[in-house]
Amino acid sequence: QSVLTQPPSVSGAPGQRVTISCSGSTSNIGAGYDVHWYQQLPGTAPKLLIFGNNNRPSGVPDRFSGSKSGTSASLAITGLQAEDEADYYCQSYDSSLSGSVFGGGTKLTVL
Amino acid sequence: ELQLVESGGGLVKPGGSLRLSCAASGFTFSDYHMNWVRQAPGKGLEWVSSISYSTSNYIFYADSLKGRFTISRDNAKNSLYLQMNSLRAEDTAVYYCARVLGDYPDWYFDLWGRGTLVTVSS
Repeated sequence: QSVLTQPPSVSGAPGQRVTISCSGSTSNIGAGYDVHWYQQLPGTAPKLLIFGNNNRPSGVPDRFSGSKSGTSASLAITGLQAEDEADYYCQSYDSSLSGSVFGGGTKLTVL
Repeated sequence: ELQLVESGGGLVKPGGSLRLSCAASGFTFSDYHMNWVRQAPGKGLEWVSSISYSTSNYIFYADSLKGRFTISRDNAKNSLYLQMNSLRAEDTAVYYCARVLGDYPDWYFDLWGRGTLVTVSS
């Protein structure tokens, strides 16, 4: 059971917009700690996608965006492409555990 | 080229030990905090341990691992290590080395290695 809760799977057709939620609590996201997002393509290492709630590293398309409100955060992907099919993970800090925590991951399927 | 390369994984019996290494190149290793993250087969990511750029400052472990795993680094060798003792079947995972950015505790991981597989089985 992950400290941060994500839906196991989401799907969308090419060109559509999808969102992936990350639900936490008052000891992590709700405490004001930043949320970061990672993309893991099949058989590869995770890649940083969003840092500091809504910032994109250089090279990440602006189709990817992040937001945070209260005890939750979301990753939005617009103009869905086949290459976006991957697992997505949120990450934050938890003061009760005194360490970083990840969501359980969400598998994105492009129909 | 920025690169992290893990090594040292393999098959080990329950109760055994293993030492993982991560070789960094393409950046000034001693300027960065570092991190281990693991992923059990078919499962999600799990943070394992973090160490500050200077060993004497901060070292953190996931609660479930305290006492069995020890993180360390050798800045002169541009290397990060994870000593794993009293290994259990549930420690079976791909272990990733990752570079840390951001201000504590809002750390995030911007550069990842390809990982090394640890299998604990009799």
